[in-house]
Amino acid sequence: DGGITQSPKYLFRKEGQNVTLSCEQNLNHDAMYWYRQDPGQGLRLIYYSQIVNDFQKGDIAEGYSVSREKKESFPLTVTSAQKNPTAFYLCASSGNRDFGLTYEQYFGPGTRLTVT
Amino acid sequence: AQKVTQAQTEISVVEKEDVTLDCVYETRDTTYYLFWYKQPPSGELVFLIRRNSFDEQNEISGRYSWNFQKSTSSFNFTITASQVVDSAVYFCALSEAETSGSRLTFGEGTQLTVNP
Repeated sequence: DGGITQSPKYLFRKEGQNVTLSCEQNLNHDAMYWYRQDPGQGLRLIYYSQIVNDFQKGDIAEGYSVSREKKESFPLTVTSAQKNPTAFYLCASSGNRDFGLTYEQYFGPGTRLTVT
Repeated sequence: AQKVTQAQTEISVVEKEDVTLDCVYETRDTTYYLFWYKQPPSGELVFLIRRNSFDEQNEISGRYSWNFQKSTSSFNFTITASQVVDSAVYFCALSEAETSGSRLTFGEGTQLTVNP
């Protein structure tokens, strides 16, 4: 089945540790995104990538890093510099913008990160 | 700057009632896209609809319908004869095709609870 997988579903870390969240898609989508969602709030864009080996900062990139070495994969690292890392993290992918058409994004099941 | 406002934080209805979720947006672009997503308790966002700024036709899909009015910058979502399974958080989102490519800006979401 085509889709987006994120692992693990729940993740617990001690403060001061870096942690990497996995996101894989087999939809052959060019663009991938990472969002953060805090309780009772909307989604905020952390990073996005429209093509392999290229990515751009979103609205809240500080304390996070990404890589895009393969089309299928877009891992997110939450570094110790992120002051409030506990949140729900969602990965998404979409067809790339082509001839002025913006495609819908499809989302993975999310990872709930708790840092204590 | 683009902005999406969902003024209704929470709505509670009884099964079989009709319910309308409001979405108001701000943009300077003439070409843009609007989206609705559903987030059930499991957390994964489910794509419902995409609309471009040049198509103001209302759309109906089963019990769901959408009313797009450029004159009032609104893209409202109506569920007819609501069911318990419709209980979820619903997000409206905007993509400015000219200035922000495939990025989405989300509203804060509306929590819909349908009681039996």
